Amino acid sequence: ETGVTQSPTHLIKTRGQQVTLRCSSQSGHNTVSWYQQALGQGPQFIFQYYREEENGRGNFPPRFSGLQFPNYSSELNVNALELDDSALYLCASSLVGTGRNSPLHFGNGTRLTVT
Amino acid sequence: KQEVTQIPAALSVPEGENLVLNCSFTDSAIYNLQWFRQDPGKGLTSLLLIQSSQREQTSGRLNASLDKSSGRSTLYIAASQPGDSATYLCAVTTDSWGKLQFGAGTQVVVTP
Repeated sequence: ETGVTQSPTHLIKTRGQQVTLRCSSQSGHNTVSWYQQALGQGPQFIFQYYREEENGRGNFPPRFSGLQFPNYSSELNVNALELDDSALYLCASSLVGTGRNSPLHFGNGTRLTVT
Repeated sequence: KQEVTQIPAALSVPEGENLVLNCSFTDSAIYNLQWFRQDPGKGLTSLLLIQSSQREQTSGRLNASLDKSSGRSTLYIAASQPGDSATYLCAVTTDSWGKLQFGAGTQVVVTP
């Protein structure tokens, strides 16, 4: 089985620009979650998608948005980038709704630097 | 609001010593607790998952305990090796969809 893959691995953007990060879920998983991890901190929950709809959101502004596609892959979009958006963005997938939810499986992340 | 704290923030031990990492959480209404390992610049690798009804889990040299009533978990790593050097994160699952609340992690260095 293939794991969770994220692209790109590294990205440098300028303040005010927009960015799209991509994630392919682990085979057989139907739910994807995104987390932001600032340097030296634990990951913070951004949002989760299930059946192509947002299914929970953390304390992040609307300029953070996402999509989940029919094949369960996902995108994280961030508009009007700010310096504080510099972080490691982690995608995680899981299987929900089969009576016993699976743990989250994480990708290796995308390192975003905003200058 | 659930808060997860890990103490100490950093730890350095000589090879062969046992490691003891602590995690505390403020709300005992959790579904489970997980310990993760993170190598520099990398994603998270799940080490152990303890369901809320369990007291401990073991995998090889790793043992994690959970005391839900007091809001504490401890990760023990026996006979540490330089390859155990990494950041260890604990996280509690706060809803049925698997949303995780993380601590800030403990950075471990095992010196040869």
